Amino acid sequence: QKEVEQNSGPLSVPEGAIASLNCTYSDRGSQSFFWYRQYSGKSPELIMSIYSNGDKEDGRFTAQLNKASQYVSLLIRDSQPSDSATYLCAVYRLGPGGYNKLIFGAGTRLAVHP
Amino acid sequence: KAGVTQTPRYLIKTRGQQVTLSCSPISGHRSVSWYQQTPGQGLQFLFEYFSETQRNKGNFPGRFSGRQFSNSRSEMNVSTLELGDSALYLCASSLGPDRDQETQYFGPGTRLLVL
Repeated sequence: QKEVEQNSGPLSVPEGAIASLNCTYSDRGSQSFFWYRQYSGKSPELIMSIYSNGDKEDGRFTAQLNKASQYVSLLIRDSQPSDSATYLCAVYRLGPGGYNKLIFGAGTRLAVHP
Repeated sequence: KAGVTQTPRYLIKTRGQQVTLSCSPISGHRSVSWYQQTPGQGLQFLFEYFSETQRNKGNFPGRFSGRQFSNSRSEMNVSTLELGDSALYLCASSLGPDRDQETQYFGPGTRLLVL
């Protein structure tokens, strides 16, 4: 089982729709969760972080966390073609040296079509 | 505030050579992490440094090494390059290791091609 799992996609949604991206993680002790967006040929850029169960909203983006189910999701409202990118879920877990280590999922490719 | 900078941005090497990549973190950031990204493997963690100490290391052979200087700048070195080392190497910095400081911000990356 991968430590952080995402559906690779592509997830295709029409412009204006809600895109829902999902992520599961294996370490029940993880406490910090992040979503990054990566355009083709570019480096990842932070969208948002979430630490507590429930929803966290930032503009058109809403992150949802359910620690009991070990599940994180990202909703993008009013999707635009410019949202077409790969979305990476990242989770901190304890490394073997006792320090936290950030682990990335393989990413979900989102395609928003006009 | 300037972002994370990485040099060089592009590099072409041949098998057997060695390469050194450089990363300057955001001002005030003391933690630097390195990642390798390939189409087949995604983002793979290489190592993390905080206050000149390597705190975490990924599952890469000993040919991959790194260090951090007192000004928080970091370098990574790959010796005896192999074709499979062709990848985008990404550096990310964060304020520090504590929960409110751990958000990582990425540099533009160094694209390495090994021929």
